[in-house]
Amino acid sequence: EAQVTQNPRYLITVTGKKLTVTCSQNMNHEYMSWYRQDPGLGLRQIYYSMNVEVTDKGDVPEGYKVSRKEKRNFPLILESPSPNQTSLYFCASSLSHGTPNSPLHFGNGTRLTVT
Amino acid sequence: AQSVTQLDSQVPVFEEAPVELRCNYSSSVSVYLFWYVQYPNQGLQLLLKYLSGSTLVKGINGFEAEFNKSQTSFHLRKPSVHISDTAEYFCAVSETGGGNKLTFGTGTQLKVEL
Repeated sequence: EAQVTQNPRYLITVTGKKLTVTCSQNMNHEYMSWYRQDPGLGLRQIYYSMNVEVTDKGDVPEGYKVSRKEKRNFPLILESPSPNQTSLYFCASSLSHGTPNSPLHFGNGTRLTVT
Repeated sequence: AQSVTQLDSQVPVFEEAPVELRCNYSSSVSVYLFWYVQYPNQGLQLLLKYLSGSTLVKGINGFEAEFNKSQTSFHLRKPSVHISDTAEYFCAVSETGGGNKLTFGTGTQLKVEL
């Protein structure tokens, strides 16, 4: 089954403790992206990647890192989480960048709480 | 830069009643428009999209949307809703030639009641 898999689904951590949220897709998609969803703000893009070893900042990249060493994986790293990073995070992928006929496929989300 | 406005944060409606979820966008160039649906505890799924051609677009689950360039709107409609349509709906825009960068609206929570 074609899917985007995020882990974990729920995560509670403390300020400053490094964490990684994994994202994997099995559709051989070139484009991958991370979003955060906050009430009243919709989805905002954190980082995206057009292909292996190519990443770029989205609208809200501060406090986050990403890497794209393999095509299928796009982990999101919070090196020193803070309470304002408490949010619902989504990973998404699509076949290619710049092709509107290639819709985004979303994972089921990771709910992160930073205390 | 593009932007999307969803004026209604919540829309309650009775089952079998019609519904319209409003979306307005702003962009200095031509756009592609999308509606995504998010069911509880799930990721977003594409409901429908407008790329070009006919301004009336039909999507899954009986939803449709109409692109109105003069009013810069892309409202989502369904003539008769079901309980299972309860979800959050997001309008999104990307500029032609702007790649897959989607700008999302803030979402509209549709609550269908018996």
